Amino acid sequence: EAQVTQNPRYLITVTGKKLTVTCSQNMNHEYMSWYRQDPGLGLRQIYYSMNVEVTDKGDVPEGYKVSRKEKRNFPLILESPSPNQTSLYFCASSFALGVVEQYFGPGTRLTVT
Amino acid sequence: DAKTTQPTSMDCAEGRAANLPCNHSTISGNEYVYWYRQIHSQGPQYIIHGLKNNETNEMASLIITEDRKSSTLILPHATLRDTAVYYCIVGRGATNKLIFGTGTLLAVQP
Repeated sequence: EAQVTQNPRYLITVTGKKLTVTCSQNMNHEYMSWYRQDPGLGLRQIYYSMNVEVTDKGDVPEGYKVSRKEKRNFPLILESPSPNQTSLYFCASSFALGVVEQYFGPGTRLTVT
Repeated sequence: DAKTTQPTSMDCAEGRAANLPCNHSTISGNEYVYWYRQIHSQGPQYIIHGLKNNETNEMASLIITEDRKSSTLILPHATLRDTAVYYCIVGRGATNKLIFGTGTLLAVQP
């Protein structure tokens, strides 16, 4: 089944404790991105990647890092999480840049205390 | 990217057509209209997109006015499982960044 998977689905952590949220897709997609969703603010793009080893900032990249060493994986790294990063996070992928149909993962609900 | 305006919420009876409007009066010539939906904090799901012509797929139809300043998403036979927030998004096909607004909460009633 074609899908985007994220792990973990739920995470409660403390300020400053480094964490990684994994994202993997099995559709051989070139383009992957991360969004965060907050009440009243909608979904906002954090980072995106057009292909292996090619990443760029989205609208709200502060406090996040990403890497794209393999085509299928696009982990989101929070090196020193803070409470304002408490949010619902979504990973998305599409076949290539310019292809409008994006597939989203199920989401990761992160709470930073 | 052009901004969109959608009603905050709508109701629809199960089995009836749901017509969701969207205004995008500042859309430019190379911008597409996309529709996604999100069912209760799940990942958004692509529905349909269009540039100028009306489009139809297995999920829905998209009607774009001739001046392209507004569009309507039509779910022909709404079911309870169609209850979701529907997002109308306008953007260029050359970029994959989706700018989500607040969307329309469609409540399908039995």
